[in-house]
Amino acid sequence: GIQVEQSPPDLILQEGANSTLRCNFSDSVNNLQWFHQNPWGQLINLFYIPSGTKQNGRLSATTVATERYSLLYISSSQTTDSGVYFCAANRDDKIIFGKGTRLHILP
Amino acid sequence: DTAVSQTPKYLVTQMGNDKSIKCEQNLGHDTMYWYKQDSKKFLKIMFSYNNKELIINETVPNRFSPKSPDKAHLNLHINSLELGDSAVYFCASSHGYSYEQYFGPGTRLTVT
Repeated sequence: GIQVEQSPPDLILQEGANSTLRCNFSDSVNNLQWFHQNPWGQLINLFYIPSGTKQNGRLSATTVATERYSLLYISSSQTTDSGVYFCAANRDDKIIFGKGTRLHILP
Repeated sequence: DTAVSQTPKYLVTQMGNDKSIKCEQNLGHDTMYWYKQDSKKFLKIMFSYNNKELIINETVPNRFSPKSPDKAHLNLHINSLELGDSAVYFCASSHGYSYEQYFGPGTRLTVT
């Protein structure tokens, strides 16, 4: 089945820094989604992005489906960005989550 | 006006008991899901369901069963609870299978 790998597994940054999170998938996918799980455990939609680029405020995402990866960019990090970022890929009837990138933003 | 809601938020029970977790969505979606998040934060899909088809992750024990009284609800029933069932269970919904999913707040199940 499809494999989804995220990197880096952990990231510690100072407030105001920029970061890039990566999601690689082993096969072509129908859909790809990015989520943020905040420290209270809530899973929040960030982007639904099977291909192309989208932006929402300080966050943007790019999926290059032909090369089987997606990137999540966070600019001017804030402490509220802390948490775990997941990507989830779908192929046929399989939905697979990556293991996440744990991001900690220091004040 | 919560989009996807789950009850209860916390559930503590003993081994061998049977329990249910309820999920409701008011987004008008036609597909709902159950996920399990273990202590290492790994998220795995358990079921996906619309009014036509149930897709079961083959690794899910048959002690777990989804029940959908209508399109807006997908409840999770668990029989003969085991210690390893302790986890956070998330419900989600989407408009069409595997399209943009919206998650509920989660139910933390602790089996003692």
